[in-house]
Amino acid sequence: QVQLQESGPGLVKPSQTLSLTCTVSGGSISGGRDYWSWIRQPAGKGLEWIGRIYTSGSTNYSPSLKSRVTISVDTSKNQFSLKLSSLTAADTAVYYCARVRCNTTSCYSGFDPWGQGTLVTVSS
Amino acid sequence: DIQMTQSPSSLSASVGDRVTITCRASQTINNYLNWYQQKPGKAPKLLISAASSLQSGVPSRFSGSGSGTDFTLTISSLQPEDFATYYCQQTYSSLNFGPGTKVDIK
Repeated sequence: QVQLQESGPGLVKPSQTLSLTCTVSGGSISGGRDYWSWIRQPAGKGLEWIGRIYTSGSTNYSPSLKSRVTISVDTSKNQFSLKLSSLTAADTAVYYCARVRCNTTSCYSGFDPWGQGTLVTVSS
Repeated sequence: DIQMTQSPSSLSASVGDRVTITCRASQTINNYLNWYQQKPGKAPKLLISAASSLQSGVPSRFSGSGSGTDFTLTISSLQPEDFATYYCQQTYSSLNFGPGTKVDIK
């Protein structure tokens, strides 16, 4: 079955840009109506959706993060990536990647599967 | 933006109790509502999609209902492994989550 794995630096300095990659295994990232998403969770807090991408390159971002987020996809590597700029301590969180199935207007499945998550700390 | 609320924010219950968690959307989302369970240090697990569709492998004591703006997750008989935090999520427009409901042991 499809599995996801996040990778990237665990420590990033304030004002810098975070770059994370999610590698999809056990299936093609280009399959059907699969969209690929990033979600984050600060310690002790709730889940925040960051954005999603389709393999065509079409993206949707959370309005609260839109100005700082870029999600891209590399179908040749079966990977998609997150860049988050102008980091502050408030961006310290566990970052997850996940799959969701959507049509052109709405997503009809939940997020499944998820990666195990990677902790990113923003600190000098 | 569609805002999601959950109630209660936390509850204490005993094994065998019937537990109900409510999720409300700020505008209609039809049945584009999912429920997740998250245990400490783990990724969330999808329990229910499309408001009432139980995911494969999820025990039948979990059920979901609702449509429009008001939704419910019910655990018919709480088991020790069910103590966790539960999140709802709308996928009608954007993909945001509710704030969560923590279920702990009474």
